[in-house]
Amino acid sequence: QSALTQPPSASGSPGQSVTISCTGTSSDVGGYNYVSWYQQHPGKAPKLMIYEVSKRPSGVPDRFSGSKSGNTASLTVSGLQAEDEADYYCSSYAGSNLFGGGTKLTVL
Amino acid sequence: EVQLVESGGGLVQPGRSLRLSCAASGFTFDDYAMHWVRQAPGKGLEWVSGISWNSGSIGYADSVKGRFTISRDNAKNSLYLQMNSLRAEDTALYYCAKDSLPYGDYIPRAFDIWGQGTMVTVSS
Repeated sequence: QSALTQPPSASGSPGQSVTISCTGTSSDVGGYNYVSWYQQHPGKAPKLMIYEVSKRPSGVPDRFSGSKSGNTASLTVSGLQAEDEADYYCSSYAGSNLFGGGTKLTVL
Repeated sequence: EVQLVESGGGLVQPGRSLRLSCAASGFTFDDYAMHWVRQAPGKGLEWVSGISWNSGSIGYADSVKGRFTISRDNAKNSLYLQMNSLRAEDTALYYCAKDSLPYGDYIPRAFDIWGQGTMVTVSS
């Protein structure tokens, strides 16, 4: 199984919205509602931001939202803030587990 | 406080072995599947292995199958990873991670709690 496909980089200005895509196949992203997203700041452990496509864990701001259409999942960050600058990884159930290659989000 | 604390990493020669441990606290450990996820320096995340809440189902990434063994001791709230025949490409920060789904099997649904990681360097 290949890794999920994410753009290597994304950017936006404070207050804007940015969407990061995560493309898989019908055997992973498209076949199950177990897509999750993780935020990782430099030198820190990943943090769960979205699970089961669109659910937010307690404590995660509602500026973060998730969705899925066909074989592509998306993470949208609205009202960008400086602290949102980080690496973001998607992950999907796939008979085992797959991660995307990661997207570096820059807040301009 | 919900916490996972890894230990056991270090510098090891190719072909040698290492055993990682993860101590869990702040949640009912034996209700959840647990996983090891690694991150090579400057690279992305890779799921390594998972074990169900009762050790009834276990799985591995193809890259470590036959060399690594995951186990858990629910009485000690601990997770382990025995790594044999280590290779340079196993060099990474190894994270212990809790599954979000209670009573799940070894396949992760989401990782809702992560430790800070323990570094494994395989080099002569």
